[in-house]
Amino acid sequence: GAGVSQSPSNKVTEKGKDVELRCDPISGHTALYWYRQSLGQGLEFLIYFQGNSAPDKSGLPSDRFSAERTGGSVSTLTIQRTQQEDSAVYLCASSRLGAGSSYEQYFGPGTRLTVT
Amino acid sequence: AQSVSQHNHHVILSEAASLELGCNYSYGGTVNLFWYVQYPGQHLQLLLKYFSGDPLVKGIKGFEAEFIKSKFSFNLRKPSVQWSDTAEYFCAVRRGSQGNLIFGKGTKLSVKP
Repeated sequence: GAGVSQSPSNKVTEKGKDVELRCDPISGHTALYWYRQSLGQGLEFLIYFQGNSAPDKSGLPSDRFSAERTGGSVSTLTIQRTQQEDSAVYLCASSRLGAGSSYEQYFGPGTRLTVT
Repeated sequence: AQSVSQHNHHVILSEAASLELGCNYSYGGTVNLFWYVQYPGQHLQLLLKYFSGDPLVKGIKGFEAEFIKSKFSFNLRKPSVQWSDTAEYFCAVRRGSQGNLIFGKGTKLSVKP
């Protein structure tokens, strides 16, 4: 079946502009995660959605970052007033929760964000 | 705060050499442990995972890892590497069965043909 998809695959933006990154999880996966991968920092957790529960936003680096998940499926990560240090690959993952699940996280290909 | 340490930043091996990549974590409670691999130009894929039971877990492509609770370690091993194993390897920890992963900074493996 289809895996996690993300769009766009690449995004170049000017410092100070807002960007939106999209994630389509695997159908039926109730948990969705955003991470970012940058040189020197490795893979950092950003935010986690689980079903209808309030999201775990503990990894968001500043209030310029926000995310929403509509209808329990597609998620959008928004970065306002982008800064050069926001340049990274933003990864989305999803997992199926519940009895019989291994809770394995499946990762998408990522969106490479470059802030100039 | 929880952390995951991968001891080697870059490992260079010749084909058929044995591989061991170190991973240590700092959390003392129940953890789930993972190794992910990222081949050049590809997305992260799960190599293997440990939740409970036999501390020696086997994954795909001949990889295995051993969970040593007393050492807070989960080292990745492969007896004989191939050129196709050239990739970046990430160790990750999750507290309990749900929630986010905490990743190490990764180890880049280069295998010379």
